[in-house]
Amino acid sequence: AQSVTQLGSHVSVSEGALVLLRCNYSSSVPPYLFWYVQYPNQGLQLLLKYTTGATLVKGINGFEAEFKKSETSFHLTKPSAHMSDAAEYFCAVSEGSNFGNEKLTFGTGTRLTIIP
Amino acid sequence: GAGVSQTPSNKVTEKGKYVELRCDPISGHTALYWYRQSLGQGPEFLIYFQGTGAADDSGLPNDRFFAVRPEGSVSTLKIQRTERGDSAVYLCASSPTGTANEKLFFGSGTQLSVL
Repeated sequence: AQSVTQLGSHVSVSEGALVLLRCNYSSSVPPYLFWYVQYPNQGLQLLLKYTTGATLVKGINGFEAEFKKSETSFHLTKPSAHMSDAAEYFCAVSEGSNFGNEKLTFGTGTRLTIIP
Repeated sequence: GAGVSQTPSNKVTEKGKYVELRCDPISGHTALYWYRQSLGQGPEFLIYFQGTGAADDSGLPNDRFFAVRPEGSVSTLKIQRTERGDSAVYLCASSPTGTANEKLFFGSGTQLSVL
């Protein structure tokens, strides 16, 4: 069974500071990993995803994440926070149709607050 | 349409009543998903359609919950004998083919409140 753990339900950073949101996963097979963002009163949007290949993936709005198999992690980072980054961020995992499990399993989310 | 549309955006009902929540996916998307998001939690999988058929309904909590997609586009999530614990945001998402590495396009959700 697949699962996701997001450490820190709330993270606050100063504008211009590094953003680091942590995600660890559990999967019995090579996973597909995703970060989604939810802005207030909007639907979830895909930030980035890892499927195969390069373990450092870049997404929209300057975010990136690195898949580390040895640590079962997929942490999300951004070098310099912007006020517009304030939102809720969800890490998610799926295992693929070859394993009969296409559905996404989400973590509980991390609310990011940016301090001016 | 331009995106995934969910109606109504808000639904208030009384305990024991029946409700229907509607999802209009992006035109041409064969895969459609329903998720439920309780306060302070991440989205929880309910059911996944591939075309008209439910490919995975393992997330439906009990037999009060049922979903259909009769023509392979619009889907309706039906909840019978609603309970206060059913209060949540119900999210719908669609994707072009339903493969596991594919981006999901989410609607804004229906906030269901059971009094």
